[in-house]
Order: sequence, then C-alpha cells, then structure tokens
Amino acid sequence: DAGVIQSPRHEVTEMGQEVTLRCKPISGHDYLFWYRQTMMRGLELLIYFNNNVPIDDSGMPEDRFSAKMPNASFSTLKIQPSEPRDSAVYFCASNTRWAASGGVGNEQFFGPGTRLTVL
Amino acid sequence: AQRVTQPEKLLSVFKGAPVELKCNYSYSGSPELFWYVQYSRQRLQLLLRHISRESIKGFTADLNKGETSFHLKKPFAQEEDSAMYYCALSGSTFYNTDKLIFGTGTRLQVFP
Repeated sequence: DAGVIQSPRHEVTEMGQEVTLRCKPISGHDYLFWYRQTMMRGLELLIYFNNNVPIDDSGMPEDRFSAKMPNASFSTLKIQPSEPRDSAVYFCASNTRWAASGGVGNEQFFGPGTRLTVL
Repeated sequence: AQRVTQPEKLLSVFKGAPVELKCNYSYSGSPELFWYVQYSRQRLQLLLRHISRESIKGFTADLNKGETSFHLKKPFAQEEDSAMYYCALSGSTFYNTDKLIFGTGTRLQVFP
C-alpha cells in the first residue's frame, strides 16, 4: 500500500479563489482525519469521518471550509473563498480500530500533506 | 477540556547531550499519550505510545499522572534526531480509535 495519498502536494492560489484538497486513505481504514499545520498553532484537527460520515467538525474554522467523503477511498477539503490566513500545510490521516485491517489502536497514518499558499 | 501543552517551540542541543522534550496534558479521564515525529521531508509518524512502554530510537517517555506529564527523553542525542516532535492525547481506550489532540510541537535541533 502506498499509504495515505494527498493531492496536490503544493497549491498556490490568489485570495478569493476556490481551493480543493484531496485525500485517499489507506485501503481498509474507516477513519479519516483532516489537520492543518501552522507555525503558530501547530497541528489542529479540522474534521474527522468514520465510515464516510462526519463525526466531529468542531475544528473547522468557518463556513468557508467544507469537507466531504463521498466514498471509503476519497475525501475532499474545500476552501471557498480562500484567504491569505488559510496558508498552511494540510494533512490527511487515516486509521482503523480493526487489527485485521492493519489497525494499531489509535495510531494514525499521515499523508505527505498539501502546502497551500494563498496570495 | 482536553489540552496538550508543549512549552518549548525550539530545543537546541549538541550531539551526545541529553534531551528532554516536555509535554503536559489536561484530561479528566484516563488518557492515552503519544509522541509523533516529523523528520525533514518525511511524513508525520508515530514514535511511541505510553501504553507500549517501549524505547524507540533510544527515546523513552513515562506517563506521570500526578504531574500530568509525558516528557520525551533520550540520554544521548544524535544529529539524525533533528525533527519536529508532537505530543498527542486521546481519550479513548486502546483499540477504540478517536481523535487525537496535538500539542503545538517542539523542533529539536541537534548540532554536531
């Protein structure tokens, strides 16, 4: 397995544009997490899904942010409209409670991240 | 409320010196604590968890419930230990997966 896959790896856009970040979790994992990493705030959980259903979106900063998981192998994080303060690295992570599917308790497996720059 | 505090943003030491990265947590129940590490140009990955009581790459961390701490220690730092270290907390039992609350991270720099 290639691990968690994220695209694009880098995104540069202008303020006001729509940005869509994509994530493919590890096959068999039923939990998916979106994080934002900044120098000032470290790693913040934005939202997470279980079996494609959003469980906790309390970390989503505002209505400009939305996330979907239409199926077990794909999720998107959308920012519309984007602002310069959204510039950060966005990580996706996945895991499962089922050891038969490769789960190791609460260990989360992270993607390489998408570095977003909003000018 | 669940909270993880890493008071140092940057810790710089010379090779061979002891290292201690501090982590304090706030949680009313029985927490599960982790240390994650992010090496340059690599993915964030699990370093160790308190429940395993293991030593990974020479690092150890002991959960001190009285002081609500989970400091990461290594007796002799190596240059390859230079990385970003995150302490994380989960309120779930071992095989129930739940969200992790991360601290703000500490960057460890080990000079030759």
